[in-house]
Amino acid sequence: GAVVSQHPSRVICKSGTSVKIECRSLDFQATTMFWYRQFPKQSLMLMATSNEGSKATYEQGVEKDKFLINHASLTLSTLTVTSAHPEDSSFYICSARGHTGELFFGEGSRLTVL
Amino acid sequence: AQSVTQLDSQVPVFEEAPVELRCNYSSSVSVYLFWYVQYPNQGLQLLLKYLSGSTLVKGINGFEAEFNKSQTSFHLRKPSVHISDTAEYFCAVTDNQAGTALIFGKGTTLSVSS
Repeated sequence: GAVVSQHPSRVICKSGTSVKIECRSLDFQATTMFWYRQFPKQSLMLMATSNEGSKATYEQGVEKDKFLINHASLTLSTLTVTSAHPEDSSFYICSARGHTGELFFGEGSRLTVL
Repeated sequence: AQSVTQLDSQVPVFEEAPVELRCNYSSSVSVYLFWYVQYPNQGLQLLLKYLSGSTLVKGINGFEAEFNKSQTSFHLRKPSVHISDTAEYFCAVTDNQAGTALIFGKGTTLSVSS
C-alpha cells in the first residue's frame, strides 16, 4: 500500500528555535496533504491543508506565521514550527491524499520544546 | 460542517469478550466514515471504511462496523478481543469532496486485560 514518511520521528529543541518536519509520499503523488496536531490523549486536530504549488489553507485559530507550511512538490510537504515554545510540544501527523482519494497517514513526529 | 462524536472515552474489557466502540456523526447529504487505530507514539492505521454499498463493513484484525443512516451511527465491533487490541481508536468522517480533510472524533481508549 501507499506509504507516507515523516521525518524526524522525534525532535527535541530549545525554546526560540525553529524546527522543520518533512512529510513525503514515497510511492505516489499527493496534490493535497494535511497537517494534524495531537495533544497527549486527545484527538487529531486539523491544522492546515497543503496544496502543491499554492499557499496552505489554515484552520481557524492556527497561526500561519507560526506554523509555516510549504508544499513545493507532489511528494513533499514541510511544516516549520518557528520560534518554538514549550506549548508547541505535541505530536504532529501528516496525511496525503492518493489518486484514488484515500488518505494515508505518516507515522507522526513528536516535538518536545525545552 | 461535519462532526463526529465518540460517546465513550474509555472502554475496559476482558480478553476474549466482545466490544463495541460507539461513533455518531452529524448528518449530511454525503458522508464517508472511517475507523483508525493508533498505538502509542505511532501514526494511524486504517481499520475499515464505509464509502458506499453494504452497510456492514469488515476491516482488518477482525473488526467490523455498521453504517446506520437513520441513527447516524457507525459503531465498531469485534466479537472477541485480544490483549494486542489495546490502543486508541478514532472514528473519522469526510464528505469526500476533493481536498477535504478527515474530521476526527476525540477517540476511545480500548483497554483489554486478562
